[in-house]
This record gives sequence, C-alpha cells and structure tokens, in this order.
Amino acid sequence: AQSVAQPEDQVNVAEGNPLTVKCTYSVSGNPYLFWYVQYPNRGLQFLLKYITGDNLVKGSYGFEAEFNKSQTSFHLKKPSALVSDSALYFCAVRDFRVKAAGNKLTFGGGTRVLVKP
Amino acid sequence: NAGVTQTPKFQVLKTGQSMTLQCAQDMNHNSMYWYRQDPGMGLRLIYYSASEGTTDKGEVPNGYNVSRLNKREFSLRLESAAPSQTSVYFCASRPSGDPYEQYFGPGTRLTVT
Repeated sequence: AQSVAQPEDQVNVAEGNPLTVKCTYSVSGNPYLFWYVQYPNRGLQFLLKYITGDNLVKGSYGFEAEFNKSQTSFHLKKPSALVSDSALYFCAVRDFRVKAAGNKLTFGGGTRVLVKP
Repeated sequence: NAGVTQTPKFQVLKTGQSMTLQCAQDMNHNSMYWYRQDPGMGLRLIYYSASEGTTDKGEVPNGYNVSRLNKREFSLRLESAAPSQTSVYFCASRPSGDPYEQYFGPGTRLTVT
C-alpha cells in the first residue's frame, strides 16, 4: 500500500520569504514522488518529480524539493515566494516496484499556500 | 495540442438524473484516469484505463461507470446521481512506462441537488 500525508492544511508566508510545503510518504518499495500545483478553477499542473539520483530536485517556477529517504519526506521549497504562488499544492507518490497496471498515483490532501504582499 | 479537454465545465443535476462527463486527449497517451476532488481529501481515483479497451476500478468506483471509447476518449457516467457525488471531476492521461507524470484536464464542477 502507498500513502501520502500533507500535515498542513494551509501555509501563510510573506512575499519574499522562503516557502516550504511539507510531504511525507509511505511505500513498501522505493518511491516515485511528484508535486502538482492547482490554481483557482484550473486543473493540476506538474511542478517536479523525484525518480532517482540527486536528492534535490529542481522544477518549474523556481520550485525545488528535497527527497529524504530516512525521514520518508519530500518537502517542496521556494527560496523567495511570490504572491502569484498562492495556490493549492499536492504531493503524490507511486511505488515503482508495484507492477500494477495503470501506474496509479496516490495523492495527499493538499496544502493551500497564501502569499501575502 | 489542446492536451486534455473535458466537457462540460459545470453541471447541475437533480438526484436520480444521469449524465456523462466527457474527456479527450490528443497526446497519444495510453493511460487515462478519472478523479474526484473534495475539500481536504485530495484527489481520489474513480476509474482508470491502462490502455484502449481496458478499464479498472480505482479507490471510489461506486455509482460510476466508464467507457474507453478509443485511445483518445474516456468518459465517466453517473447513472443515478446522488448529492454525495457533488464534486469536481478531473480527467488525466499519461504515456506508458516510467517515470512519466500525469497530465490533467481543467475539471468539471458537478452539483447534485
């Protein structure tokens, strides 16, 4: 079984300050990890993914995420937040050893980010 | 490319009515998915189709049926809508193999009264 937890329903940050959105996961094997962003009244947009290799992954719009195997975490970060980063963020996981059809993802509950000017 | 398209964007149904949500992708992807999004619960998988001609249940399939009409199109049908099916529905697609991400449509907001 695979699961994802996003412990914070909402994160508030001032524009220009660092932004961190937390994600922890559980899989029986090794994970593929993803971050998606959802702007109001839009579908989800892919931000970045961890497959293997370097634990620090860089993605779109200046976001990055750090994979920590010992803590089973994949926190999303941005050094300097913008008002336009205000959105709903989802973490997702797949156990790549699971050869089930469909390559299903399990999503976290989402974290709303509010960046204030 | 239009990517993943969904129709309609909004729909209001009365309890017991039926409707079909349409989804199409023009990226030649093999796998397609239907999710529902409810506040605080993230996205939950309703049904998926790993390839043309195959469909499988996801986490919350009760009350829904799907059809993979061809490689491009994957529809979701509510035979007898219930207020518990009020939600935002997203369709997604992805290429075969790893480690590809899923591509999402803009969503359909459904209200059942």
